[in-house]
Amino acid sequence: GESVGLHLPTLSVQEGDNSIINCAYSNSASDYFIWYKQESGKGPQFIIDIRSNMDKRQGQRVTVLLNKTVKHLSLQIAATQPGDSAVYFCAENKGGYNKLIFGAGTRLAVHP
Amino acid sequence: NAGVMQNPRHLVRRRGQEARLRCSPMKGHSHVYWYRQLPEEGLKFMVYLQKENIIDESGMPKERFSAEFPKEGPSILRIQQVVRGDSAAYFCASSTTSDPNNEQFFGPGTRLTVL
Repeated sequence: GESVGLHLPTLSVQEGDNSIINCAYSNSASDYFIWYKQESGKGPQFIIDIRSNMDKRQGQRVTVLLNKTVKHLSLQIAATQPGDSAVYFCAENKGGYNKLIFGAGTRLAVHP
Repeated sequence: NAGVMQNPRHLVRRRGQEARLRCSPMKGHSHVYWYRQLPEEGLKFMVYLQKENIIDESGMPKERFSAEFPKEGPSILRIQQVVRGDSAAYFCASSTTSDPNNEQFFGPGTRLTVL
């Protein structure tokens, strides 16, 4: 079967440090990947996306890396802040139409 | 421009009752997706609808669950004869097109509790 999964269920970091959240996917046909942030009691919020023809994409304080050889995706957050505390999901889109397959999520806890 | 609206935000039902969850997509969006999220888990796709059409319901349980997106009004996810295992957060998302590169915007969710 197909799946998108994460290596670490919980990540604790100190404020100001960089955070790295990892994700593995199993479907090599996937061509679009998205990272979402979900705060408690809220819906997922888009952070950044990357297409399969790219290896890296940068946003404001965030970078997504895609390694198609090992089917691995990561989200890097620079200078992590308390407001970054949330659950982060990677999601996969296999194309055809806009149907997302989500991973289980990683909880990021930022400590002062 | 209001985002995706869902109501109610919290819904409590007793076993055997019906639950109706509503989703109003963003203005100009005609594509709606429903996802279910169990505690401490990721979102699971349930159904994808366009106006008046169900495009993909591969994630919907075969019984008791139905969805619609009428020409006028919100999309409705209906759960008949609810059971405790239906307790979850149900999220709706919308997009302007079916293009897989088109961002989906999520609503705040409806948290269903079945007693």
